[in-house]
Amino acid sequence: ETGVTQSPTHLIKTRGQQVTLRCSSQSGHNTVSWYQQALGQGPQFIFQYYREEENGRGNFPPRFSGLQFPNYSSELNVNALELDDSALYLCASSRGSQGVENIQYFGAGTRLSVL
Amino acid sequence: AQKITQTQPGMFVQEKEAVTLDCTYDTSDQSYGLFWYKQPSSGEMIFLIYQGSYDEQNATEGRYSLNFQKARKSANLVISASQLGDSAMYFCAMRGRRAGSYQLTFGKGTKLSVIP
Repeated sequence: ETGVTQSPTHLIKTRGQQVTLRCSSQSGHNTVSWYQQALGQGPQFIFQYYREEENGRGNFPPRFSGLQFPNYSSELNVNALELDDSALYLCASSRGSQGVENIQYFGAGTRLSVL
Repeated sequence: AQKITQTQPGMFVQEKEAVTLDCTYDTSDQSYGLFWYKQPSSGEMIFLIYQGSYDEQNATEGRYSLNFQKARKSANLVISASQLGDSAMYFCAMRGRRAGSYQLTFGKGTKLSVIP
């Protein structure tokens, strides 16, 4: 148990819809990162939030957006869903956003299916 | 750009035997961190072990050790005395600084199956 919880666990949407995924970070962690893991692939970095500000972003379009709240929980929003957005979405929390030694602890993910 | 390569899509190991999972990386950074995560079928990524680029000793955590060969840019995971519960996907990852922030880059993973 990492103490990182994600909801919902599974979600089915249709193309063009919007979706919101939620993540509660581990106690004492102020940084949340989001990853997309397509079937058979490793996770890909979407973006990171530190103290309610986005402070790093991977190669994802603007229709992927996020929020972090004062309690350090976070949301991932995806607009105009496409079939290729079907994936496992993983949230990870860490204590701080800097340093190569910073360990990220992951939740169990939300599996999104876009039909 | 940072890149992680895991060349073994799947591996089999007999219970109680040791197994090595390969990982090579590519980066121009001097400072970086190398991580291994385990992902059971439930989906949660479980942190196993960390090695810093400046660490001279190989990292060890219980039955896990990381064979770090900096000149070869390899960071292989060694699991000793395999157990049935070790059956899972294993991902090698590297953390470095990109565009002003620190990011984790993952390989494609290796599926380990432990045979009784």
